[in-house]
Amino acid sequence: AQSVTQLGSHVSVSEGALVLLRCNYSSSVPPYLFWYVQYPNQGLQLLLKYTSAATLVKGINGFEAEFKKSETSFHLTKPSAHMSDAAEYFCAVSRGTASKLTFGTGTRLQVTL
Amino acid sequence: DGGITQSPKYLFRKEGQNVTLSCEQNLNHDAMYWYRQDPGQGLRLIYYSQIVNDFQKGDIAEGYSVSREKKESFPLTVTSAQKNPTAFYLCASNGGAGYTFGSGTRLTVV
Repeated sequence: AQSVTQLGSHVSVSEGALVLLRCNYSSSVPPYLFWYVQYPNQGLQLLLKYTSAATLVKGINGFEAEFKKSETSFHLTKPSAHMSDAAEYFCAVSRGTASKLTFGTGTRLQVTL
Repeated sequence: DGGITQSPKYLFRKEGQNVTLSCEQNLNHDAMYWYRQDPGQGLRLIYYSQIVNDFQKGDIAEGYSVSREKKESFPLTVTSAQKNPTAFYLCASNGGAGYTFGSGTRLTVV
């Protein structure tokens, strides 16, 4: 079975500050890992994905994530938060890009002036 | 433009009534999925279909039904047996390279 745990249901940062959203995974097979962003009453948009190639993955809107097998982590970071980054972020795991996705419970990011 | 269309965006129903949520895709994807989203619980898989005329239960299928008569369409029926149907429902498809999500339907049962 696969699962992900997102630490912190709400994170608040100041505009311009570092964004760090945490995700730890559990998987009996090499995982595929994803970060999605959701704006209110909308669907999910893929930010980035890890598919067993480079461990440091760069995504859209300046986000990146690093796969650390020893720590079973895939934390999402952005050097400088922007007001438009305020949204809910979901980490997800699967066995492949065509396999079922298992989601974490989400982290709501608030960006303050 | 290719994509997934969910309709309606907002839906209100009285308790005890069945209701069907529409999901249509023109991406030529074989696989389609239905997820339910509740605050603080993330997305949970209701049903999925990997090919026309075939579908499987997900983690929370009780009180729901689906059909997959056409590749493009995967409607979800929320039946009166679903104890707590008020939620945000997301449809997705996958052609092998990754998921595409619809914009969701917010169902409120009163």
